[in-house]
Amino acid sequence: GAVVSQHPSWVICKSGTSVKIECRSLDFQATTMFWYRQFPKQSLMLMATSNEGSKATYEQGVEKDKFLINHASLTLSTLTVTSAHPEDSSFYICSATPPTGQETQYFGPGTRLLVL
Amino acid sequence: AQSVTQPDIHITVSEGASLELRCNYSYGATPYLFWYVQSPGQGLQLLLKYFSGDTLVQGIKGFEAEFKRSQSSFNLRKPSVHWSDAAEYFCAVGTFGNEKLTFGTGTRLTIIP
Repeated sequence: GAVVSQHPSWVICKSGTSVKIECRSLDFQATTMFWYRQFPKQSLMLMATSNEGSKATYEQGVEKDKFLINHASLTLSTLTVTSAHPEDSSFYICSATPPTGQETQYFGPGTRLLVL
Repeated sequence: AQSVTQPDIHITVSEGASLELRCNYSYGATPYLFWYVQSPGQGLQLLLKYFSGDTLVQGIKGFEAEFKRSQSSFNLRKPSVHWSDAAEYFCAVGTFGNEKLTFGTGTRLTIIP
């Protein structure tokens, strides 16, 4: 149980284009999902907290207009990197918390983004 | 604010040897503590968690961790490591009613034959 998927697993795009990453909770409803960014050999950096039906809460320093988050249903959250640039290249990981035991996050497999 | 320290950036252990990964946290109240493992290019998998009760917690893959309030520690142990245990290990702390986690910087585990 508590499986989280991400799609795509990797994506290459040209500078200036937008990329959408999906995060799904497969066997539970997630009232809250989180989006992280991870640079090589570093820890996870929380970008934003996504709650179903409401606006995402962004961490300090994260550009909300660049990283658009939509939590349209209890099983799906999307992260759109708008007008991507090479410095946006990174590993993006989402996590989700089930309604019970909300303090436990279950992570997706991650999406590697390379912007050329 | 809560924080997590993993003092060891990289640890090398022989296959079959015992393992202990250190984690120290800073938080005023009783924390929720987690250990996650990340294989290269993958997301994080939950190994075990401590919320309350018995301070020795058993997890998956033969791992265990012990919560020591007096030392503000939550060290991860395994009596005999396998080559497949090579990965990055993250300790994290959360709090009741707050879904955010604070992660340590991770410890990379290398297994040698």
